[in-house]
Amino acid sequence: GESVGLHLPTLSVQEGDNSIINCAYSNSASDYFIWYKQESGKGPQFIIDIRSNMDKRQGQRVTVLLNKTVKHLSLQIAATQPGDSAVYFCAEKECTNAGKSTFGDGTTLTVKP
Amino acid sequence: GAGVSQSPRYKVAKRGQDVALRCDPISGHVSLFWYQQALGQGPEFLTYFQNEAQLDKSGLPSDRFFAERPEGSVSTLKIQRTQQEDSAVYLCASSFSSFEGYTFGSGTRLTVV
Repeated sequence: GESVGLHLPTLSVQEGDNSIINCAYSNSASDYFIWYKQESGKGPQFIIDIRSNMDKRQGQRVTVLLNKTVKHLSLQIAATQPGDSAVYFCAEKECTNAGKSTFGDGTTLTVKP
Repeated sequence: GAGVSQSPRYKVAKRGQDVALRCDPISGHVSLFWYQQALGQGPEFLTYFQNEAQLDKSGLPSDRFFAERPEGSVSTLKIQRTQQEDSAVYLCASSFSSFEGYTFGSGTRLTVV
């Protein structure tokens, strides 16, 4: 069956370092990918998305890389700040299924001052 | 409003009780989604509306779960005869279109005792 998973459940970095959060997916039909950030007691917050016709997209301090050959997605956060501490989820969607996004189980990022 | 609003924020129900969870999406957002999030896991898709039409309810766990959006704005998720396994955070999200990042509410934490 389809699944979206993350390589590591936790990641700890020093403030100011760059962070890389990885995600593997198994559904070859997936063509839209999203990264969300979830802080304790809140709903997920959209960070950045990428479509399957791209392999890289940049936002403010964040970059998403997509490797369709190996079904791998990563989120890079530059100059990580304490406010970046949260759980990060990747999610995927098929263009033929407009409703359902499939989420992974999340990576907990802890930023040490 | 400025964001997606969910109420109540917390709900404790005795096993067997019926509950109704409300979602006020962002004004003008056509798409509305319900997700269920168990502790320590990623959100799981429940159902999807486009305006008032429920286009996908494949994620509803049983026929005890029912969702509606009669006027294409506010949505209600109803759970009949609640069971302990229904305990989770129920997240509502909305978006202008299906293929963009969602705006999530803060969720309703349901505890069935």
